[in-house]
Amino acid sequence: DGGITQSPKYLFRKEGQNVTLSCEQNLNHDAMYWYRQDPGQGLRLIYYSQIVNDFQKGDIAEGYSVSREKKESFPLTVTSAQKNPTAFYLCASSISGGNNQPQHFGDGTRLSIL
Amino acid sequence: AQSVTQLDSQVPVFEEAPVELRCNYSSSVSVYLFWYVQYPNQGLQLLLKYLSGSTLVKGINGFEAEFNKSQTSFHLRKPSVHISDTAEYFCAVSGSGDDKIIFGKGTRLHILP
Repeated sequence: DGGITQSPKYLFRKEGQNVTLSCEQNLNHDAMYWYRQDPGQGLRLIYYSQIVNDFQKGDIAEGYSVSREKKESFPLTVTSAQKNPTAFYLCASSISGGNNQPQHFGDGTRLSIL
Repeated sequence: AQSVTQLDSQVPVFEEAPVELRCNYSSSVSVYLFWYVQYPNQGLQLLLKYLSGSTLVKGINGFEAEFNKSQTSFHLRKPSVHISDTAEYFCAVSGSGDDKIIFGKGTRLHILP
């Protein structure tokens, strides 16, 4: 079955440490997205990519970085500059970057600070 | 830019009773509307979408939604809920010229026995 795989499911970060969240899709989708979810705040867009080797900042990009070297992969790095990284992170993809395309989501990674 | 408001953060309802989850969006010439469901510790799943055409949209799991342009609403309904419908529901919208989808803050549906 095609889908989006996020790993790990749970991740712990020490102060001052960078961590990378993995997102892989085998849906042959062009567009990929990273969201942050906090209780009662819905989903906030961190970064998105509509095509390989290109990506744009979302609403809360500070303290995060991404790469899109392959169509299937869109890893997210949470840097030490992100002072409040504890959250549930969701990766999504869509056939294209068009705004009428529904997004398919992975099962998320829960990041906590030690 | 588009915005979306889910008026209720939590909705309790008895099993087998009907439910309506409310969603309003800011006005736009043309909009695309979506409802997603999120079960605990999982990602979001698409319930239904409105792109154009009939204003009554049927989705999975017996849910439906009605696009009301004059009231800028896209409320989600189900005639009879089950315990398995316990989840958080997100309304999402994008408008012409937007390159991303905006999500509401979610409504948590509690099914009472």
